[in-house]
Amino acid sequence: QKEVEQDPGPLSVPEGAIVSLNCTYSNSAFQYFMWYRQYSRKGPELLMYTYSSGNKEDGRFTAQVDKSSKYISLFIRDSQPSDSATYLCAMIKAAGNKLTFGGGTRVLVKP
Amino acid sequence: GAVVSQHPSWVICKSGTSVKIECRSLDFQATTMFWYRQFPKQSLMLMATSNEGSKATYEQGVEKDKFLINHASLTLSTLTVTSAHPEDSSFYICSARTRVTRSDTQYFGPGTRLTVL
Repeated sequence: QKEVEQDPGPLSVPEGAIVSLNCTYSNSAFQYFMWYRQYSRKGPELLMYTYSSGNKEDGRFTAQVDKSSKYISLFIRDSQPSDSATYLCAMIKAAGNKLTFGGGTRVLVKP
Repeated sequence: GAVVSQHPSWVICKSGTSVKIECRSLDFQATTMFWYRQFPKQSLMLMATSNEGSKATYEQGVEKDKFLINHASLTLSTLTVTSAHPEDSSFYICSARTRVTRSDTQYFGPGTRLTVL
């Protein structure tokens, strides 16, 4: 079993809809959680970084962490075709450790 | 801020030749740099971790004599693929870590696409 599970998609939504992404993890030692966006043939771009359980909002993006359920989510409001990309969750167990990635979810926002 | 660059962005080479990829943190000093490999429609696979001035730590299954990593300064790391073969064709991405408050944040370069003929 992988340490971090993420549905590969693809997830197809109409423009303006809310995109809902999530990851589950098995090891309670993970403490820091990140979401990256990766366009085709490009490097990942850091979108959100969270440490504690709860919600964090940045523009159209909201990240949620539920450590008790070992579950993290990313919501994208008012989705745009330019949001079409692969979204990777990532987490680390402590400062200075390696990132553990989910497999990525491919998102397609249709005009 | 927190920009990481890679050069070249793509390279095509003949089998048996060596290829060097540069990774630079442009506006910050990186405590650690990482090299990843990514196959189509797959997630990133960590190849090695390097700290400035010390030898890189390679992940299990990664040949250190084939993938040479040099971390010359706090802003520059290089990956050399020696005697490249077609199976080495892949997307190589570097990442640099900076320290933010109590935790580390990792930023990625744009990637280098290597094609070995």
